[in-house]
Amino acid sequence: QVQLVESGGGLVKPGGSLRLSCAASGFTFSDYYMSWIRQAPGKGLEWVSYISSSGSTIYYADSVKGRFTISRDNAKNSLYLQMNSLRAEDTAVYYCARAKQLVPPGIWGQGTTVTVSS
Amino acid sequence: QSVLTQPPSASGTPGQRVTISCSGSSSNVGSNTVNWYQQLPGTAPKLLIYSNNQRPSGVPDRFSGSKSGTSASLAISGLQSEDEADYYCAAWDDSLNGPVFGGGTKLTVL
Repeated sequence: QVQLVESGGGLVKPGGSLRLSCAASGFTFSDYYMSWIRQAPGKGLEWVSYISSSGSTIYYADSVKGRFTISRDNAKNSLYLQMNSLRAEDTAVYYCARAKQLVPPGIWGQGTTVTVSS
Repeated sequence: QSVLTQPPSASGTPGQRVTISCSGSSSNVGSNTVNWYQQLPGTAPKLLIYSNNQRPSGVPDRFSGSKSGTSASLAISGLQSEDEADYYCAAWDDSLNGPVFGGGTKLTVL
């Protein structure tokens, strides 16, 4: 069955960096767009970034543009999110989700928690 | 502040039918399809409805979706206690080049 497993979350100080990973299985990873969505504690869902199946097209939310970088390795069935210059407001559960072009995500991983605090 | 507007709460008694609305604009709901997600406490969102009114396999037919213009709605019939959860709508936004979400509706089964 389709499975997405995130890792890499943790506690980091403001201004620090973290790299999230998402391991995909149960489907042809290279056929799908992928995305990162986050949810701050007690808040709603916020889109972070989207990447096309080949990696040639990438979109970022304004709130993370210039600080976060999404990437993928289709040979390893893996999605990544490099997060730099982290701020307290980046504290959230980060979900990896399978997507399609111009469509909100479908299947979601279980999430990994990022806490930015001194 | 979320781009799509949902009521913050909804409620019903077991067996009742409840609807949750989702209002957007011409750049999102008005021009693209809508998904609905169910998020049980402490878990990841689960796709409930896609392409406005399609149910993934395994989702009971008690759940249905519809869209008209720049608004969409989720209907849950035969309400059950296990339906108590947060529900989110989402649509691609052509101006933002990304998906936008509603603020979520907390459904309480009385």
